[in-house]
Amino acid sequence: EVQLLESGGGLVQPGGSLRLSCAASQFTFSTYAMSWVRQAPGKGLEWVSAITGNGGSTFYADSVKGRFTTSRDNSKNTLFLQMNGLRAEDTAVYYCAQQLSGYRIFETWGQGTQVTVSS
Amino acid sequence: EIVLTQSPGTLSLSPGERATLSCRASQSINNNYLAWYQQKPGQPPRLLIYGASSRATGIPDRFSGSGSGTDFTLTISRLEPEDFAVYYCQQYDTFGGGTKVEIK
Repeated sequence: EVQLLESGGGLVQPGGSLRLSCAASQFTFSTYAMSWVRQAPGKGLEWVSAITGNGGSTFYADSVKGRFTTSRDNSKNTLFLQMNGLRAEDTAVYYCAQQLSGYRIFETWGQGTQVTVSS
Repeated sequence: EIVLTQSPGTLSLSPGERATLSCRASQSINNNYLAWYQQKPGQPPRLLIYGASSRATGIPDRFSGSGSGTDFTLTISRLEPEDFAVYYCQQYDTFGGGTKVEIK
């Protein structure tokens, strides 16, 4: 069974940084594009970023472009989200998700990690 | 940018009833990219339907998707107690606002 386990969330002050990780197992990680999707408290889902299987291309929502960076280490089956310049509106549960091959459709999701931006 | 509008916002039904959820796109989209997810409180979303009408692995056949162009529908033929949840449609980078299916 595919497993995704996020970590690295927490409380950070506005303007601060956090690095999220997503450990993947039970599938050939390097052959799948991956995404980060977030959900603010009581709100809907928002796609944040995606990365191709080899890490060669990354994509970002306008709301995080220039502040967030997605990367991956295929030797360690791990996905990362480096978040800089955090704002209150970045407060959310952040999910990593395995994309259905060839499509930006999210086949498997992790349990999520909470990020709270507050002074 | 494509906007997905889901309706109704809330659907109040009883177990055993049929649920019909709508997702309307602001412009015509490729069916291959239309997906539906179910989310229960405190849980991550679960993929139900992809390609507008294909059920994901392990999804019961009471869930079905249909539509094309700008109008898409998720139908739950007979609601089971575990089906009361929030449902989202999605196309590429965009999610709809969700429909909550609650017990009447």
